[in-house]
Amino acid sequence: QKEVEQNSGPLSVPEGAIASLNCTYSDRGSQSFFWYRQYSGKSPELIMSIYSNGDKEDGRFTAQLNKASQYVSLLIRDSQPSDSATYLCAVTSGSARQLTFGSGTQLTVLP
Amino acid sequence: EPEVTQTPSHQVTQMGQEVILRCVPISNHLYFYWYRQILGQKVEFLVSFYNNEISEKSEIFDDQFSVERPDGSNFTLKIRSTKLEDSAMYFCASSGGWDSLSQFFGPGTRLTVL
Repeated sequence: QKEVEQNSGPLSVPEGAIASLNCTYSDRGSQSFFWYRQYSGKSPELIMSIYSNGDKEDGRFTAQLNKASQYVSLLIRDSQPSDSATYLCAVTSGSARQLTFGSGTQLTVLP
Repeated sequence: EPEVTQTPSHQVTQMGQEVILRCVPISNHLYFYWYRQILGQKVEFLVSFYNNEISEKSEIFDDQFSVERPDGSNFTLKIRSTKLEDSAMYFCASSGGWDSLSQFFGPGTRLTVL
């Protein structure tokens, strides 16, 4: 059973702070890693993808991947109240394209 | 910006009835997917579709489910005989060519089975 684990939260940070979201996965054959944002009652919205070990930055978002530790994280700098949402980690394994999702971390950014 | 669209936004049906959920993927995408999310639970993969055939499916995607691309734009999910436990949000997603793994989700159809 391929598992993707996330702390469910809720995680609260003040506006302007850095929010750090973590994800671990069980399948060493996992190849591709994604972070989605999901507002309540809405669909997942792709924020970042990362395929190689290291950091990948896109605006205020940085994804970090460590395949040896089976760990992927998302940092949100200068957090805004509009960043308040559930953040979903999703993983593919081997050559398969299906996404296995974690249960999500609920983030609240306090004004 | 191109986006995935889904209709209807909300479908209410009686147990045992057939429903068809419709999706229009992003126009130049080649891979299409259905996921579902039961209220308060994880997003779960159902099926992927490429080159007019199913490429992957999960254990959830049993004989009561089928998918079809009836024309050049639509992608449908049919549930033949709905059960109470099929009540969920159903998301369609699409991704580009062989080298593009990023999946973009539609707004979803909320299916309520009474």
